[in-house]
Amino acid sequence: QVQLVQSGGEVRKPGSSVKVSCKASGGTFNNYGFSWVRQAPGQGLEWMGGVFVLFGTTTYAQKFQGRVTISADASTTTTYMELRSLTFDDTAVYYCARERMAGIYAPWGQGTLVTVSS
Amino acid sequence: DIQLTQSPSSLSASVGDSVTLTCRASQSVTKFLNWYQHKPGAAPRLLIYGPHTLEIGVPARFSGSGSGTEFTLTISGLQPEDFATYYCQESDSPSFGGGTKVEIK
Repeated sequence: QVQLVQSGGEVRKPGSSVKVSCKASGGTFNNYGFSWVRQAPGQGLEWMGGVFVLFGTTTYAQKFQGRVTISADASTTTTYMELRSLTFDDTAVYYCARERMAGIYAPWGQGTLVTVSS
Repeated sequence: DIQLTQSPSSLSASVGDSVTLTCRASQSVTKFLNWYQHKPGAAPRLLIYGPHTLEIGVPARFSGSGSGTEFTLTISGLQPEDFATYYCQESDSPSFGGGTKVEIK
């Protein structure tokens, strides 16, 4: 059974960057895509982007283009999401999710709270 | 990108009630329309994909239907563990609806 375990919560200052990791275990890694989705306080789910591990190809939501990098390391079965130029609006819980097929996400990681505070 | 609008944004219901949640798309959905359950402090959980295929392990009281621009998620006989927020999601964009929060009356 596939499990995704994310890194712990982070506190960052405005203008800085954060990198969150998501380690997959219990299944194959290379044949899947992994996406990152965030939930700001009181808001809904927002897709940020994803990576298809086999080819290393990435796609990003237009809103985050140029500010986010999503990557995957097959040797450690870990995906990463780096978000730069943080603002207070980036305070959110960030989730990774495996793309089982064609934009269907299961399972999900437990979430990582990123707090942007001065 | 397809915009998804969920209604109602919240509802109150009792254990045993049946409820229907709606998801409307700004244009016809050509790939998959999926539903997720999200509880506070927990990871979102895939319930239904396609839009009517039940994920393994999801109780049969959950059902999904629809096509084109209108989709529904029905919970037949609410259980205490079903009180949560439900999101529809379209596979192509892939965008999420704003969610419907199901609360205990």
